[in-house]
Amino acid sequence: NAGVMQNPRHLVRRRGQEARLRCSPMKGHSHVYWYRQLPEEGLKFMVYLQKENIIDESGMPKERFSAEFPKEGPSILRIQQVVRGDSAAYFCASSPRTSGGADEQFFGPGTRLTVL
Amino acid sequence: AQSVTQPDIHITVSEGASLELRCNYSYGATPYLFWYVQSPGQGLQLLLKYFSGDTLVQGIKGFEAEFKRSQSSFNLRKPSVHWSDAAEYFCAVRFGNQFYFGTGTSLTVIP
Repeated sequence: NAGVMQNPRHLVRRRGQEARLRCSPMKGHSHVYWYRQLPEEGLKFMVYLQKENIIDESGMPKERFSAEFPKEGPSILRIQQVVRGDSAAYFCASSPRTSGGADEQFFGPGTRLTVL
Repeated sequence: AQSVTQPDIHITVSEGASLELRCNYSYGATPYLFWYVQSPGQGLQLLLKYFSGDTLVQGIKGFEAEFKRSQSSFNLRKPSVHWSDAAEYFCAVRFGNQFYFGTGTSLTVIP
């Protein structure tokens, strides 16, 4: 059973370009979470999605950032007009459900975004 | 507001020595608590979790953690550290849909 997959693993963009980060959850998982990790910091929650629904986007910047999890295909985190401050590691996690609260999240290896 | 504090940014221990990583949380109810480990350039791997029952939980790689409600703590321990344990360790608490992570403790193991 493959784990959470993220691609690309490394992404370099120039200021003003768009970045698209992809996440394929574990098989059987229908809940996806995106986190951002800045250097020397912990993970900060960005957005929580189920198939075709954004459940909680309270951690995502209001501008330039968007996320989707279509019925078919991976979840996409999209950053438009990137700036240097967007340079970070972006992690995706998945879980089978949210009820019960004790379900852990399974993390992907992350995408390291560098904005030049 | 919910928060997780890991007061030790960096810890160095000798191989074979015991280890304790501290974690304190701020949360109104009994939380769901987790410890994750992150090796350089990698994602996070779950070490153990607590949500109810026995307050001493066993995890993978010989780690354990004890939940102390009176101290709002969930400290991670290992009786004998191996060189391969060198990594970043994150404590997390789950509230609703969100996980709140501490800022991490970086562990260095010296021979």
